Amino acid sequence: KAGVTQTPRYLIKTRGQQVTLSCSPISGHRSVSWYQQTPGQGLQFLFEYFSETQRNKGNFPGRFSGRQFSNSRSEMNVSTLELGDSALYLCASSQMTGTGGTDTQYFGPGTRLTVL
Amino acid sequence: GNSVTQMEGPVTLSEEAFLTINCTYTATGYPSLFWYVQYPGEGLQLLLKATKADDKGSNKGFEATYRKETTSFHLEKGSVQVSDSAVYFCALTLMDSNYQLIWGAGTKLIIKP
Repeated sequence: KAGVTQTPRYLIKTRGQQVTLSCSPISGHRSVSWYQQTPGQGLQFLFEYFSETQRNKGNFPGRFSGRQFSNSRSEMNVSTLELGDSALYLCASSQMTGTGGTDTQYFGPGTRLTVL
Repeated sequence: GNSVTQMEGPVTLSEEAFLTINCTYTATGYPSLFWYVQYPGEGLQLLLKATKADDKGSNKGFEATYRKETTSFHLEKGSVQVSDSAVYFCALTLMDSNYQLIWGAGTKLIIKP
């Protein structure tokens, strides 16, 4: 099975712009989660989608949004970019056999976003 | 609140040394516990997991035992290799968390030949 894929792998934007990142989960996985990784804050949960519905959201401003399509692919969008949004954005998918406590999340390689 | 605490790195060892990376957690309820590894320039890979007390997760020579009494999930390996150099993350999820992983800060491991 193909793993989780994320596009693009690298992105350079300037302050004030917006950006859209894409994630394709492992075939058959219905849950997609997004995480931000920075040297200062470490790994932080952004949101999780299942069946096109956002079920859980982390503590990020409204500039961060996402969506999931009927084929489980997901996108996240960051509007009005700030320098502090520079990070590695990781997507993870899960088969969702239960409520999320025991299922394993499989991660993509990430999108490295640099905001200048 | 729920949290994960890992030993600070970097941890520097010689090849074939014994490895322990400490991880303790605070959680309301009964978490599942995970170790993920991140090699340079790559995403996160699941290394091992344990879903209930006294479970032992193991993979690629690494082991960790879910200790409820000490709220710990320490990672161990008997003989490390240069290829084990990476950043190791301890994490937990809770049954009603809807897949939100709560992460430790990560421990960078450097293995010298």
